[in-house]
Amino acid sequence: EADIYQTPRYLVIGTGKKITLECSQTMGHDKMYWYQQDPGMELHLIHYSYGVNSTEKGDLSSESTVSRIRTEHFPLTLESARPSHTSQYLCASTLPGGPHNEQFFGPGTRLTVL
Amino acid sequence: AQRVTQPEKLLSVFKGAPVELKCNYSYSGSPELFWYVQYSRQRLQLLLRHISRESIKGFTADLNKGETSFHLKKPFAQEEDSAMYYCALSGSAGNMLTFGGGTRLMVKP
Repeated sequence: EADIYQTPRYLVIGTGKKITLECSQTMGHDKMYWYQQDPGMELHLIHYSYGVNSTEKGDLSSESTVSRIRTEHFPLTLESARPSHTSQYLCASTLPGGPHNEQFFGPGTRLTVL
Repeated sequence: AQRVTQPEKLLSVFKGAPVELKCNYSYSGSPELFWYVQYSRQRLQLLLRHISRESIKGFTADLNKGETSFHLKKPFAQEEDSAMYYCALSGSAGNMLTFGGGTRLMVKP
């Protein structure tokens, strides 16, 4: 089924650990995005990609990194997790040829760093 | 810089009452405005966009450039409208989305 997937949905991890949040879409979308959202606050764009081998930083500075080796896959990595990274991370994608603003969202990953 | 403000964190109304979720924006050019919605245990999804001038699930929103507002309205709220609503702005086609802080709408029976 065409969809956008995020794993894990919930992650509790200790300080200093390396983590990778997975995002995959089977809709053939080219543009993909990562947002960070603290409880009750705005969504902030932290990374985006126009396609394979394209990655850009978003409006909010983030210590995370992303890669786009395959069209359908856009993982986000934190080399050394800290409590300040505790947040919800949302992945989104856009139709080929579509404007950036018509975005389809994944279910999100809620990250807690102890 | 572009900014979206949703002044109400929580809006509580009774079923059948009118509802208006406020959204104000700042942007020097010609914006495109959107409303996204997140129902309980569901993912964020597009509700409507101002360029379509559409009514979705009974909701409408009019872009008022003079007041830089894009309020979401529904004449008779239903319990199933309870959700988080986010207003979003795109500076022009192809630019990124800027989201407001969201308003939680609770429709009481």
